[in-house]
Amino acid sequence: EVQLVESGGNLVQPGGCLRLSCAASGFTFRNHAMGWARQAPGKGLEWVSVINAGDGAAYYPDSVKGRFTLSRDNSKNTLSLQMNSLRAEDTAVYYCAKGSATGGTREPDIWGQGTMVTVSS
Amino acid sequence: DVVMTQSPLSLPVTLGQPASISCRSSQSLVNSDGNTYLNWFQQRPGQSPRRLIYKVSNRDSGVPDRFSGSGSGTDFTLKISRVEAEDVGVYYCMQGTQWPWTFGQGTKVEIK
Repeated sequence: EVQLVESGGNLVQPGGCLRLSCAASGFTFRNHAMGWARQAPGKGLEWVSVINAGDGAAYYPDSVKGRFTLSRDNSKNTLSLQMNSLRAEDTAVYYCAKGSATGGTREPDIWGQGTMVTVSS
Repeated sequence: DVVMTQSPLSLPVTLGQPASISCRSSQSLVNSDGNTYLNWFQQRPGQSPRRLIYKVSNRDSGVPDRFSGSGSGTDFTLKISRVEAEDVGVYYCMQGTQWPWTFGQGTKVEIK
């Protein structure tokens, strides 16, 4: 069974940092693009980063560029999101998502249960 | 960024009746590889998103055949032929053609 289990969410002060992890199982992790999307309380969904399977290149929207860094460890089947200079508007549930075999993160097919990040003083 | 606009944002439906959700993009979603990366997701209360449809009209394994997707270019539709109680939740369209991928605002489906 394909599983994505996120961890690392917490309460952090503005300007602080946090590292989220996603443990993947049930599929060949190294062959799939992966990503993180977030959902602020009561709001819609927003992508915060995706990473290629092959070259490991990562991409970010302007809202987090320069503050967030996505990486993957194919030997441990783990995806990590380093979040720095956190702001109140980063408060959200963060979901790990698996890219499909044919379309990658253009059509993510499996999502984790999410981990909550709260940025507040 | 590509803006995805859904309508309606709230959709009360009688059990057994059809439902339709529209999703329009601010630019064509036809990718240079010829594919149109338009997905539909269902998010039931308290759950994570679940993909229902990819590439406009391809239904995921395990998704009931009462769900169907259609459209092209900038105009897309998700239809539920006969709404059941388990279909309650928020439905999102998402484009994967131009980074950053973007979602519609969501359509909340509820039972009348």
